[in-house]
Amino acid sequence: GAVVSQHPSRVICKSGTSVKIECRSLDFQATTMFWYRQFPKKSLMLMATSNEGSKATYEQGVEKDKFLINHASLTLSTLTVTSAHPEDSSFYICSARFRGSYNSPLHFGNGTRLTVT
Amino acid sequence: DAKTTQPNSMESNEEEPVHLPCNHSTISGTDYIHWYRQLPSQGPEYVIHGLTSNVNNRMASLAIAEDRKSSTLILHRATLRDAAVYYCILSMEYGNKLVFGAGTILRVKS
Repeated sequence: GAVVSQHPSRVICKSGTSVKIECRSLDFQATTMFWYRQFPKKSLMLMATSNEGSKATYEQGVEKDKFLINHASLTLSTLTVTSAHPEDSSFYICSARFRGSYNSPLHFGNGTRLTVT
Repeated sequence: DAKTTQPNSMESNEEEPVHLPCNHSTISGTDYIHWYRQLPSQGPEYVIHGLTSNVNNRMASLAIAEDRKSSTLILHRATLRDAAVYYCILSMEYGNKLVFGAGTILRVKS
């Protein structure tokens, strides 16, 4: 079945540094990918929609200069958390949908646990 | 975004069927009903989705009310591996993003 790979699975960084998280669709092309974050015992919160070849669309309240999204190809989107702070510590999850099928299922990565010290 | 309402938690015995309800009274005519589940420390996993008719797949069945204002996810024989948070989500007609609600924590007892 369709697989979305997310890397790294865990990362610890120091406050003030930037961290890049990669999301790849392994066996299908994804025009659109979605980035979520999840705090402990909470639901997923949609951060942004990543569109191949164009700018990402951010949800209300999400700082686009803080969370940089690049969707350089049909199989890769990256999320960079810039100047990370402890409050950015969270579980970040990406997802992708098969190109051209807006109501088909989303395929999720296994998430990246970010800890900022 | 059209909203869904689910019970906070449910409990089931192993090997018994489980019916997980979802209310979506403000659903629009072309919104699909999606179900995903999430195990601890993992990304969500697709379970099933449908528009108007009941749907079956190898994981579960989805029963959709005639007025589409509610639906029920049916796990025919719960196993310990089915213990997870189950999310009922409506897809936007043209926006194609999925917005998660609080979900239902399903506990399965052996």
